[in-house]
Amino acid sequence: QKEVEQNSGPLSVPEGAIASLNCTYSDRVSQSFFWYRQYSGKSPELIMSIYSNGDKEDGRFTAQLNKASQYVSLLIRDSQPSDSATYLCAVSDSSASKIIFGSGTRLSIRP
Amino acid sequence: NAGVMQNPRHLVRRRGQEARLRCSPMKGHSHVYWYRQLPEEGLKFMVYLQKENIIDESGMPKERFSAEFPKEGPSILRIQQVVRGDSAAYFCASSPGQADSGANVLTFGAGSRLTVL
Repeated sequence: QKEVEQNSGPLSVPEGAIASLNCTYSDRVSQSFFWYRQYSGKSPELIMSIYSNGDKEDGRFTAQLNKASQYVSLLIRDSQPSDSATYLCAVSDSSASKIIFGSGTRLSIRP
Repeated sequence: NAGVMQNPRHLVRRRGQEARLRCSPMKGHSHVYWYRQLPEEGLKFMVYLQKENIIDESGMPKERFSAEFPKEGPSILRIQQVVRGDSAAYFCASSPGQADSGANVLTFGAGSRLTVL
């Protein structure tokens, strides 16, 4: 079982709609959870970090964490073409040393 | 605030040569991570270092690869006797490493793209 799993996509969403990205992780004692965005040929950039159960909102982005289900998601409201990118879920391991990334979900926002 | 600086951005090597990739963390960051990314794939953890100390190298191949983060100067990822399969983008990231909620938030450099001929 992969440590961090994401649907590779591509996920196609019409402009203005809500994009929902999902991630599951295997280490039950993981403590820190992140969503990064990576444009083609560029480096990853942080969108959100979340550390406790529930929702965390930042502008059009909402991260949701459910530690009991080992599940973290990212919602993007009012999707824009500029949101088209690969979204990487990342989780700290139980020792809080290394950060493990999922393989990413490609999101495409169609005008 | 220069951010995470990686060089070279592009490196071409022939099989059997050595590749050295450098990473200077953000100002105030004391922790460095190295990741490898193959085309259309995710980031694979390689190694996590503090100054003069390797914290976790569980993702490093057992042979030909080494990393260091000396007291002075940048972190270096060294690949000896490169093979074609080493061709990839190598990303460095740094974090504050302080005992607070932002301790392990990573900031990435632009990456070094290694091509092995």
